[in-house]
Amino acid sequence: RKEVEQDPGPFNVPEGATVAFNCTYSNSASQSFFWYRQDCRKEPKLLMSVYSSGNEDGRFTAQLNRASQYISLLIRDSKLSDSATYLCVVTARAFSGGSYIPTFGRGTSLIVHP
Amino acid sequence: GAVVSQHPSRVICKSGTSVKIECRSLDFQATTMFWYRQFPKQSLMLMATSNEGSKATYEQGVEKDKFLINHASLTLSTLTVTSAHPEDSSFYICSANPRDTGRDTQYFGPGTRLTVL
Repeated sequence: RKEVEQDPGPFNVPEGATVAFNCTYSNSASQSFFWYRQDCRKEPKLLMSVYSSGNEDGRFTAQLNRASQYISLLIRDSKLSDSATYLCVVTARAFSGGSYIPTFGRGTSLIVHP
Repeated sequence: GAVVSQHPSRVICKSGTSVKIECRSLDFQATTMFWYRQFPKQSLMLMATSNEGSKATYEQGVEKDKFLINHASLTLSTLTVTSAHPEDSSFYICSANPRDTGRDTQYFGPGTRLTVL
């Protein structure tokens, strides 16, 4: 079983639609959670951190469910510019006292069409 | 926000040559940097964790003698691909986490596209 799993998609949605992605992780000791966005042939860019209380940034809402070990990303009112790959990132220590190592999901592809 | 640079952005080399890629944190210090490789249409694969002042930690299956990592200062890590072969052609990306922030947010360099002929 992979440590961080995402549905690769693609999710093909019209402009204005609401779309949600989930990501599951296997390490119950995971510490921090993030969503990154990656455009084709570019580096990933931080979209938002994910907190247990949930957080919202404009049209984007992220949720963390530690009990079920998943995080989600909701995008409302999709724009053409939202088309990208969305990467789920989970960090955990490799060993006690060690650095937090980020583990990436394979990404979920979103295509927003007119 | 935190800025990470990489140099070069693109390199084309002949098989058997060595290529050095630099990763710099421009406005923060990082005791730890990470090196990734991404093949087309695949996810980022962590290659190694670069630790300032000590040896890098390599992921399983990554040859430490082929991918030499040096983290000589709190703002610079280098990855040298030794005796590069066409199968090493990939997108290499580094990331760094600002130290003493209490957060694990990773800031990525723009990546280096390596093509080995």
